[in-house]
Amino acid sequence: GENVEQHPSTLSVQEGDSAVIKCTYSDSASNYFPWYKQELGKRPQLIIDIRSNVGEKKDQRIAVTLNKTAKHFSLHITETQPEDSAVYFCAAIPGYSTLTFGKGTMLLVSP
Amino acid sequence: DSGVTQTPKHLITATGQRVTLRCSPRSGDLSVYWYQQSLDQGLQFLIQYYNGEERAKGNILERFSAQQFPDLHSELNLSSLELGDSALYFCASSIGTGTDTQYFGPGTRLTVL
Repeated sequence: GENVEQHPSTLSVQEGDSAVIKCTYSDSASNYFPWYKQELGKRPQLIIDIRSNVGEKKDQRIAVTLNKTAKHFSLHITETQPEDSAVYFCAAIPGYSTLTFGKGTMLLVSP
Repeated sequence: DSGVTQTPKHLITATGQRVTLRCSPRSGDLSVYWYQQSLDQGLQFLIQYYNGEERAKGNILERFSAQQFPDLHSELNLSSLELGDSALYFCASSIGTGTDTQYFGPGTRLTVL
């Protein structure tokens, strides 16, 4: 089955800095890569996703890049704000199976 | 609000007991997924139902079972509860299966004393 590794486990940045979270996956058949944001005690919320026929996708301050050859994908958040503080999960799915999540990255944005 | 609803929001029970968690998917979604999230753990996939049929199974214990009803709502039954079953249980739904986007419900926090 699929295995997703996520780094770092904790990331602290100053407000206005950029944050990058990286994930690697094992199954070359994976073709859908969503990112979820989870605030404390709340539901995971989809913030952006990318499919394997695209190398990069951007939505305002958030972007995701995908390198299928290297089997890794990254989340980039620019101009971070305190409300970006949360746990971020990456995930991958081969299509024939179900979502496999990384273990999460706690992002702390200090004012 | 994702459109996925879960009840109850909180559940406190004792070891050895049995509980039922309920999930209603977004209107039009045929798939329901159950996940367990323990402290310091990520999201562990338990089981998926698609249009009433079991579609995929993850790390679900034999003490746990689920079903999806004709109206597409789903129930997760947890029996012979242990302290280690204390966790947040999330339900998610999607239109179909495979790579369709999953939308999560607010979760049920289970505490086993």
